[in-house]
Amino acid sequence: QSALTQPASVSGSPGQSITISCTGTSSDVGTYNYVSWYQQYPGKAPKLMIYEVNNRPSGISNRFSGSKSGNTASLTISGLQAEDEADYYCSSYTTSSTWVFGGGTKLTVL
Amino acid sequence: EVRLVESGGGLVQPGGSLRLSCAVSGFTFSSYWMHWVRQAPGKGLVWVSRINTDGSVTKYADSVKGRFTISRDNAKNTLYLQMNSLRFEDTALYYCAREGSGWCYLDYWGRGTLVTASS
Repeated sequence: QSALTQPASVSGSPGQSITISCTGTSSDVGTYNYVSWYQQYPGKAPKLMIYEVNNRPSGISNRFSGSKSGNTASLTISGLQAEDEADYYCSSYTTSSTWVFGGGTKLTVL
Repeated sequence: EVRLVESGGGLVQPGGSLRLSCAVSGFTFSSYWMHWVRQAPGKGLVWVSRINTDGSVTKYADSVKGRFTISRDNAKNTLYLQMNSLRFEDTALYYCAREGSGWCYLDYWGRGTLVTASS
C-alpha cells in the first residue's frame, strides 16, 4: 500500500494552467478508473474536486479537469486564480480492495 | 444538509485504546459506505478503513490491521473506529467521510477529531 506519487509542489501565475501528476502502479491507477482528487485548505477538511478520473461534482468549476494515461493520472487547473492556492491529493482504489492517497501537492499561485 | 461530526479524540498513552465516533445527519446513513482517513500533523492524507452499508464488509490499511476496528450503528446514524494498541505514529487528525453513491470517491467529510498518542 505505497502512497501514490505526486510532486511536492507546483506553482503558476494567475490565468495560467497547471497540471499535477499522480503516479501509481498496475495495482491501482493503472487498473481502475476510480481516481479522485481533493482540495484542502490549511486547517480545513478535504473537498472532492474530481471523481472517476474526469468527472466534476456539482458546483465545481469547469476550470478543474482530470485525465489518466496508464499508471498516471493528472489534474489540470486552467485560468489559475488566487483561491486555487491549496493542497491537492489524488486517490485510487486498489486491487486489494483498499484505497490509497497520494502524498499531496502544494499549489502556489504566484 | 449533510453533516458528519467526529468525536472521541484525545490524549492517550502508547499501548492504550480509544473509540472514535462519527455522527451523521442529512442523508440516509444506511445506504452509504463509510470511511476513516487520517492526517498526521503537517503531513498528507492516509486512508485507514472502509465499511459497507450493513457493516458486514470491512477493509483496513496494513498499518492498522489487527489493531483498529471499524463498525457502524445504522439505527443511531453513527460510525465508529475502535483503536487499540495505539502507537506514537497513530497521532493524527481522524476524518470520517462518506463514499459517494457512484463508488470510490469521498463526497462529504467531517472536520476531524485529533488523536494524540504520547507518554
